[in-house]
Amino acid sequence: GIQVEQSPPDLILQEGANSTLRCNFSDSVNNLQWFHQNPWGQLINLFYIPSGTKQNGRLSATTVATERYSLLYISSSQTTDSGVYFCAVPHMRGTSGSRLTFGEGTQLTVNP
Amino acid sequence: NAGVTQTPKFQVLKTGQSMTLQCAQDMNHEYMSWYRQDPGMGLRLIHYSVGAGITDQGEVPNGYNVSRSTTEDFPLRLLSAAPSQTSVYFCASSFDRRAGSPLHFGNGTRLTVT
Repeated sequence: GIQVEQSPPDLILQEGANSTLRCNFSDSVNNLQWFHQNPWGQLINLFYIPSGTKQNGRLSATTVATERYSLLYISSSQTTDSGVYFCAVPHMRGTSGSRLTFGEGTQLTVNP
Repeated sequence: NAGVTQTPKFQVLKTGQSMTLQCAQDMNHEYMSWYRQDPGMGLRLIHYSVGAGITDQGEVPNGYNVSRSTTEDFPLRLLSAAPSQTSVYFCASSFDRRAGSPLHFGNGTRLTVT
């Protein structure tokens, strides 16, 4: 199956700082998603982004499928951004379905 | 529109007991799945379903059974609980398995097996 690596594993920021989280994957994909797990354990879908760039408020994501990576940008971070950020891709090359393999996540802590 | 609903939120079992974790979605989603999350690890797929009457194994299926008799419901059964099944379980669903569409999660069930 496709392997997913996220970096950095941990990130500590002061409120107001910007950050970039990276997701590398080992094969071609046509489906990539970013999730945020908040400190209460809820998993929220941030972006469905197989290619290109999307923005949602202070968050944006870019996937460069040909180079097998995706980036999640968080600008002007707030304490509510704390939690774990996961990226996920299809289990096997050539499948666009929803059976996803998750990376191990980036633990983000935003301090006031 | 409640989204993906999981019950119970918390459960404690003794080794050898059986139980069913419930999952229901009201979004008419075709695809449903169960993941487990262990400390320091990402999410691992247990079982999934691409439609009513169709289920398949994921990455870590041993010790679990599923069925999909309706589009809305996808229960996960633990046949004989073991301490290694202590975990947080998440149910997820998405609209269209073929095209790929955003995956939506329930709030999780925290299970402890003693």
